[in-house]
Amino acid sequence: GDSVTQTEGLVTLTEGLPVMLNCTYQTAYSTFLFWYVQHLNEAPKLLLKSSTDNKRTEHQGFHATLHKSSSSFHLQKSSAQLSDSALYYCALSEGYAQGLTFGLGTRVSVFP
Amino acid sequence: NAGVIQTPRHKVTGKGQEATLWCEPISGHSAVFWYRQTIVQGLEFLTYFRNQAPIDDSGMPKERFSAQMPNQSHSTLKIQSTQPQDSAVYLCASSRDNNNQAPLFGEGTRLSVL
Repeated sequence: GDSVTQTEGLVTLTEGLPVMLNCTYQTAYSTFLFWYVQHLNEAPKLLLKSSTDNKRTEHQGFHATLHKSSSSFHLQKSSAQLSDSALYYCALSEGYAQGLTFGLGTRVSVFP
Repeated sequence: NAGVIQTPRHKVTGKGQEATLWCEPISGHSAVFWYRQTIVQGLEFLTYFRNQAPIDDSGMPKERFSAQMPNQSHSTLKIQSTQPQDSAVYLCASSRDNNNQAPLFGEGTRLSVL
């Protein structure tokens, strides 16, 4: 079956530094990848989505590129802000109206 | 436009009691998903409906859990004889049934089984 691996459980960093969250996946089908961000006591919110190989997608200062050759969809930001402290989930779907398979999530804590 | 609405936000039950969780999807969204969130397991897929029909319930525990979607404006997740290990945040999401929409989540129902 489908699976998503996020290697970091917790990332701590100082405000202003770059951040990269790893996401790799396994699937035998068409690939739709997502990043969701969840702040404390809030709903997970869509941050980025992609189904196009080697195309960079950006939103709110974050960016990610789907690389089907390496089955990766890493999330990056050049300068972390305190408000970026949250739980980040990478997710995979066989189609936009199909169930999502989530990674275990990466908690990001940004300190002043 | 209101988002996905889940009620109640918090529910406390005693062991062995029944819990019913409600979800109102975004108007016009034909796909409705249920997920369970715990610290240990993260976000686990439970089940989903498309146009009110059950499509995939592969994530549902075989016993005590059931989900229904009697009309396009709401879905329910029912847990019979709740156990402490059922304690989690249950999240509902909905999406349009086309290739340009990702599921949008409600704020969830936090179930605590004492």
